[in-house]
Amino acid sequence: GENVEQHPSTLSVQEGDSAVIKCTYSDSASNYFPWYKQELGKRPQLIIDIRSNVGEKKDQRIAVTLNKTAKHFSLHITETQPEDSAVYFCAARDWNSGYSTLTFGKGTMLLVSP
Amino acid sequence: NAGVTQTPKFRILKIGQSMTLQCAQDMNHNYMYWYRQDPGMGLKLIYYSVGAGITDKGEVPNGYNVSRSTTEDFPLRLELAAPSQTSVYFCASRSAGVLDEQYFGPGTRLTVT
Repeated sequence: GENVEQHPSTLSVQEGDSAVIKCTYSDSASNYFPWYKQELGKRPQLIIDIRSNVGEKKDQRIAVTLNKTAKHFSLHITETQPEDSAVYFCAARDWNSGYSTLTFGKGTMLLVSP
Repeated sequence: NAGVTQTPKFRILKIGQSMTLQCAQDMNHNYMYWYRQDPGMGLKLIYYSVGAGITDKGEVPNGYNVSRSTTEDFPLRLELAAPSQTSVYFCASRSAGVLDEQYFGPGTRLTVT
C-alpha cells in the first residue's frame, strides 16, 4: 500500500512570510494528491489538490507542486496570515481492491505569529 | 444539504462496553469512509464502503465493524471497547465520479477508560 511522509511536523512563521510543507509518497501508481486544512477542534477541509498530469496548481495564496519522478509534492502558502494557523495534511490516492482510498501524512502544525 | 453528519459528538465508554458511531450523508455519495485520528498521527482509514452492501477493511480495522444497508448511512460498531480505541473518529464521503474530494463529518471524540 501507499506510504506518505510529511515534513516538517511543526512550522512557525511570521505573518507575511511564506510557508512550505513537503510530502513524499511511495506508490508510483498514485495520481491524485489533496491537501487538507484542519483548524483546532474542526473537521479536515480540502484546500487544494493536484493530479499527476499537472506539475503545479495555484489558488490565490496557496499553490501545490508535484514532482512525479522524485515522488514528492509540496504546499506553498505565500503572505501568511494568522488565520492560516492550523494543521495541514497531505494525502495520496491509494488503491485497495481496485477502489480508491486516501493515505494521509501525519500532519504539519503551522503557527503564524502576528 | 446537511452534508455529512455524525452522532454523538462526545462519548465516554468503559472498557468492554460496545457502541455504534453513526454517520449519515445527504449528498447521494457512493463512497463512505471511517477514519480515526490520534494526536500527531494523521488520519488512518478503518473501513470504507463503495456502495450499499459493499464494505472493505482499511489500514486499522481490528476491533471495529461496519455495515452499509443504505446509501445514506454508514455506522461504525465498536465491540469490547479498549483504551487503545480512544481517539477522534471522522466519517467522510465522496461521489463515485471524477470529483475526488472527500467531505468530512464533524467527528466523534471517544474516550475509553
